[in-house]
Amino acid sequence: DSGVTQTPKHLITATGQRVTLRCSPRSGDLSVYWYQQSLDQGLQFLIQYYNGEERAKGNILERFSAQQFPDLHSELNLSSLELGDSALYFCASSVESSGIGTDTQYFGPGTRLTVL
Amino acid sequence: SQQGEEDPQALSIQEGENATMNCSYKTSINNLQWYRQNSGRGLVHLILIRSNEREKHSGRLRVTLDTSKKSSSLLITASRAADTASYFCATVASGGSYIPTFGRGTSLIVHP
Repeated sequence: DSGVTQTPKHLITATGQRVTLRCSPRSGDLSVYWYQQSLDQGLQFLIQYYNGEERAKGNILERFSAQQFPDLHSELNLSSLELGDSALYFCASSVESSGIGTDTQYFGPGTRLTVL
Repeated sequence: SQQGEEDPQALSIQEGENATMNCSYKTSINNLQWYRQNSGRGLVHLILIRSNEREKHSGRLRVTLDTSKKSSSLLITASRAADTASYFCATVASGGSYIPTFGRGTSLIVHP
């Protein structure tokens, strides 16, 4: 158990809908990262938050947004869903005090999103 | 792209044998990390090797890094059925984004 929790585990929804994925980082970790894993694209970095502020952005679509709250939990919002958004969405957390990518990332169990 | 590429894509061995996976990348790195993912689960960090290191060990894992060839290898010795998983390398570029970029992984099956 990594100490990172994600809810829900599974989500099935229809095209055009909006969903929210939730992540609670390990106790003491200030950074949260969101990744999308699909068969054709592999593991893609979406966005990072550090202590409530957006810190780095990857291949995140405009239809997707995220935020980190004062208690450090994070939410990833996916809207106007398309079939191609079906994937595993992972949250990871780290202390990220170095700012140079040497901190270990601890991954949650993921949310499997199926868009029908 | 900085994305590492693992080789082979899939590896099938018997328990007790050694498993070697390779990772190649394109540009200069600050560090390279290896992760394991059991089917449908989250990734687990195995080991990090910095660009000025050549070899690191952790239990039955041995990682080497050759920055001149821009490649790394992960060796699992005396493999067990429980080692069955996908293994990913992730590179952190030097002087750029510190976010690890993941390869597509090697799928390892260890037969009991």
